[in-house]
Amino acid sequence: EVQLVESGGGLVQPGGSLRLSCAASGFTFSSYAMHWVRQAPGKGLEYVSAISNNGGSTYYANSVKGRFTISRDNSKNTLYLQMGSLRAEDMAVYYCARVGRMIAARYSYYYMDVWGKGTTVTVSS
Amino acid sequence: DIQLTQSPSFLSASVGDRVTITCRASQGISSYLAWYQQKPGKAPKLLIYAASTLQSGVPSRFSGSGSGTEFTLTISSLQPEDFATYYCQQLNSYPEVTFGQGTKLEIK
Repeated sequence: EVQLVESGGGLVQPGGSLRLSCAASGFTFSSYAMHWVRQAPGKGLEYVSAISNNGGSTYYANSVKGRFTISRDNSKNTLYLQMGSLRAEDMAVYYCARVGRMIAARYSYYYMDVWGKGTTVTVSS
Repeated sequence: DIQLTQSPSFLSASVGDRVTITCRASQGISSYLAWYQQKPGKAPKLLIYAASTLQSGVPSRFSGSGSGTEFTLTISSLQPEDFATYYCQQLNSYPEVTFGQGTKLEIK
C-alpha cells in the first residue's frame, strides 16, 4: 500500500524548533519530488516547501524562507522539515505530499496524488 | 505570485443536485490546475489534474474543465459522501504552487 506517515509534531514555544518527518512506503521514494503543505486551524491549504527527487533542489514559501529547511534521506525513504524560529502563525497541521507527473505533448502536468494524514504543530508559550 | 479565487466560498445543495465550483487565476496558467476534496480532519484527496484529467478511482460524476484563467469543477449528481471542502491548486509555477481559498459544500 502506498503510504506517507508524518511524525514529529507537538507543542513548542515561540522561537523554538521542531523537526517533522514523513516516512514513505509502498513506492520508490527516490523517484518522486515531495512537498510540505500546511493548514492553520479553520483555514485553507498553504504551500510550505518542496524538494526534488534526489534532494538537489529545494524551494520555500516566502513565509518560511530562512527559518525552515527541507531535506530527504532516500536510503531511509524519509522526508524531513526542520522548523526554526517558530511563530504563532506557523501553528498548523503539516502534510507531506507526493508529486506525480503526467507528460502530454511535451508538457509536464504535476499534481499531489498521495498525502499523509498530517502532524499538528502548536506554537504557544 | 499567482492568486486563485474560488466561487462561491460556501455552497448549499441537495443530494442529486448538479453543482459547479469556479476557480479563477490572476494570470493565465494554461491547464496547470488540480482539484482536491477535503473532509473534516482528513488529508486532501486529489480529484482532477491537468484541469480535466480524472484521477484514478475518482467517480465519473466529477469533472473539470477550463484553461487559461477560468476553471470549473462539476459534480453531476451530488452524493452524500461529496459534502466536503474543495480546493483548486495552480501548478503553473511548480514547484511553488498556490491553492484557492476553498469552497465548502454543505447539505441543504
